[in-house]
Amino acid sequence: EVQLVETGGGLVQPGKSLKLTCATSGFTFSNAWMDWVRQSPEKQLEWVAQIKDKSNNYATYYAESVKGRFTISRDDSKSSVYLQMNSLKEEDTAIYYCTSLTGDYWGQGVMVTVSS
Amino acid sequence: DIQMTQSPASLSASLGETVTIECRASEDIYNGLAWYQQKPGKSPQLLIYNANSLHTGVPSRFSGSGSGTQYSLKINSLQSEDVASYFCQQYYDYPWTFGGGTKLELK
Repeated sequence: EVQLVETGGGLVQPGKSLKLTCATSGFTFSNAWMDWVRQSPEKQLEWVAQIKDKSNNYATYYAESVKGRFTISRDDSKSSVYLQMNSLKEEDTAIYYCTSLTGDYWGQGVMVTVSS
Repeated sequence: DIQMTQSPASLSASLGETVTIECRASEDIYNGLAWYQQKPGKSPQLLIYNANSLHTGVPSRFSGSGSGTQYSLKINSLQSEDVASYFCQQYYDYPWTFGGGTKLELK
């Protein structure tokens, strides 16, 4: 059974940092391209970041709205992907989903609230 | 960035009816388009990829079509379990982008 479990969400003040972790199982993680997708309180979906696999040199891509502030990384030995979020803004408030869009694997999502 | 304009934003239809949701890209995305269904409180699930290929396990009443900048999702013979929000997403070029979504309700 495929499982993706996100942790690390919560309430954080603007300008602060937060790191999300996604632990996966049930599929060949090392071959998967992994994404983070977020959904705003208004229910809009936004693709946030992607990291490719080793054969693609772990290439990373970002949405313009998070470029320079967020960093996606992975640890194939732990079948995990991470999202380091710095300089958080109120508009980063959303449910963050760990997903492999190319494989249609999704986590249940974790809430991140940025508020003073 | 490629902008995805989805319409309508909301839709009310009767059981058994056929519904169509449209998605327009700001430039040619060469069929690099997926459709997702999201039910309340759940994660999105893939319905269609490559604009017109049905994902494994998805009922055949769902179909996708289109090319260039114009794409559509059709649901034949609407069922109660189809009440959900639907999103298009382009993966032709980075950054990948989603449409604004269509909320489908029963009339």
